[in-house]
Amino acid sequence: AQTVTQSQPEMSVQEAETVTLSCTYDTSENNYYLFWYKQPPSRQMILVIRQEAYKQQNATENRFSVNFQKAAKSFSLKISDSQLGDTAMYFCAFRDDKIIFGKGTRLHILP
Amino acid sequence: DAEITQSPRHKITETGRQVTLACHQTWNHNNMFWYRQDLGHGLRLIHYSYGVHDTNKGEVSDGYSVSRSNTEDLPLTLESAASSQTSVYFCASSLEAGAIGTEAFFGQGTRLTVV
Repeated sequence: AQTVTQSQPEMSVQEAETVTLSCTYDTSENNYYLFWYKQPPSRQMILVIRQEAYKQQNATENRFSVNFQKAAKSFSLKISDSQLGDTAMYFCAFRDDKIIFGKGTRLHILP
Repeated sequence: DAEITQSPRHKITETGRQVTLACHQTWNHNNMFWYRQDLGHGLRLIHYSYGVHDTNKGEVSDGYSVSRSNTEDLPLTLESAASSQTSVYFCASSLEAGAIGTEAFFGQGTRLTVV
């Protein structure tokens, strides 16, 4: 069965700094998708970024980028120039047919 | 605009009662999912469906059931509510794996308290 591991339950960084959230996964599949979701205090789940496993190029969305290492089964999220509004729970997710989530990393951006 | 809605947003029920949480999506997605979110566990998959009349058990399906009679709805039923089922429940829908833009779209969540 596929598993997703986020090893950092909680992190804090100063505003404007860069922070990296870690995610590893386990699968025997070759074609799959990876996602990072953000959950602010409003509880809404918001897609941050997606990565197709067959694409070698790392995905980027404005201040958010990923480091996808397929052989190592690693999918980390980098947030550049962090902002107070980035304070949230972040979930890494793996998809082949169903979607499996990690336990999340609670990120605090400090003023 | 297409959306996915859950109702109710909050519910308190008594142990042993049957409870149904509604999920309705207008994305015309075939895939629908139910998750529960608990502190320290992230989102855990309860049941999922790939289309009408299709249902599958997830990681934590005991005590829950779903039925899919149309594309838009996937209600989640707690047969006999237990205190361990106090949680926040999320419904999600998506296109099939392999489609462009295969991420899940989520409802607002339902906070269920079993007393």
